[in-house]
Amino acid sequence: EDQVTQSPEALRLQEGESSSLNCSYTVSGLRGLFWYRQDPGKGPEFLFTLYSAGEEKEKERLKATLTKKESFLHITAPKPEDSATYLCAVQARDSSYKLIFGSGTRLLVRP
Amino acid sequence: KAGVTQTPRYLIKTRGQQVTLSCSPISGHRSVSWYQQTPGQGLQFLFEYFSETQRNKGNFPGRFSGRQFSNSRSEMNVSTLELGDSALYLCASPTRTGELFFGEGSRLTVL
Repeated sequence: EDQVTQSPEALRLQEGESSSLNCSYTVSGLRGLFWYRQDPGKGPEFLFTLYSAGEEKEKERLKATLTKKESFLHITAPKPEDSATYLCAVQARDSSYKLIFGSGTRLLVRP
Repeated sequence: KAGVTQTPRYLIKTRGQQVTLSCSPISGHRSVSWYQQTPGQGLQFLFEYFSETQRNKGNFPGRFSGRQFSNSRSEMNVSTLELGDSALYLCASPTRTGELFFGEGSRLTVL
């Protein structure tokens, strides 16, 4: 069964304190791994899609990496505005746009 | 930001009623997928439509149904509402490069 596990559930950082969020997955043939940011009461905001092990993508203070079993979202020198829930999801090769989501990591960055 | 439009944004219903939610995907795109988000279960896939055909379906009871029109707009319907159907219902649409963008969602409260 396809499954996604994110850790930690919640993370508190001081402004400028870098860290990483983890997304472990099992899927019957990975087509893509997605990262999203979600603010309270809003829809998920697309960040990255990764397709193969070894791939990396960056956007501002965020960098996503992918291995055959997990993905990391590295946050460098975070700011309070980076506070949000970060969601990871996998898309199996035969599942069109059915994504399996993890439960998310709630990030709080304190000034 | 990609233009996935969902209406209504908020609605309140009572148990036993039915509800219809609407989604307009990214202009020119024919695929729409629906997700339910609750605090307990997280984001769960409901169904996906492509060119008016249901292409994939999640593990939800038959009270949850959907359809897609020739202009790619999609609706989902929940009949005989239960308290547990209170959730944020999200619609998503892929871009040509495979990114999946979400709308802001429809927040349903069942009393």
